[in-house]
Amino acid sequence: QITLKESGPTLVKPTQTLTLTCTFSGFSLSTSGVGVGWIRQPPGKALEWLALIYWDDDKRYSPSLKSRLTITKDTSKNQVVFTMTNMDPVDTATYYCAHRRYITTGFDYWGQGALVTVSS
Amino acid sequence: DIQMTQSPSTLSASVGDRVTITCRASQSISSWLAWYQQKPGTAPKVLIHEASTLETGVPSRFSGSGSGTEFNLTISSLQPDDFATYYCQQYNSHSSFGQGTKLEIK
Repeated sequence: QITLKESGPTLVKPTQTLTLTCTFSGFSLSTSGVGVGWIRQPPGKALEWLALIYWDDDKRYSPSLKSRLTITKDTSKNQVVFTMTNMDPVDTATYYCAHRRYITTGFDYWGQGALVTVSS
Repeated sequence: DIQMTQSPSTLSASVGDRVTITCRASQSISSWLAWYQQKPGTAPKVLIHEASTLETGVPSRFSGSGSGTEFNLTISSLQPDDFATYYCQQYNSHSSFGQGTKLEIK
């Protein structure tokens, strides 16, 4: 059974760096084709794709946010770490991590989401 | 960036209706498109990938079609559980989501 769970701060101040950890089970991020992505959703708004890391350490970022984002994996710990620098109140959102079983599929398993509020 | 535009933004329908949601890409994405259903307070659930491949366990009343820049999600006979918000996602070049279509009860 595949599960993912996001963890990290619920409140960050403007200009700070957000670090979120996705801890997963039920699959290995060393299996060919597998990826883990990050998606966010501001309250009452649409989903926004942020970043994705593949089994081979290939990394993809949203072009509009690329300069602020970093995604890494620790295969031995079954974790993916996501950082976003220079946080702003507009970055307030629920942040999800999600599993992608192959490059031809969408995200088939999602974490419960972590609400992050940016406020001084 | 590839922009995804869904229409309509809101759709009012009744149980038993056949409904179609359209998703248009700003450039060709071949068939690299997924559809999701999201209910309030929960994570999205994938329904379809590669434009028309139904995910395991998804009812057959859901179907997807299209390629290139225009795609459709059709629900053949609406059930009470289907009232939710639907998103398309392209994964041809990086990835991006549409703005969502809220399917509400008429």
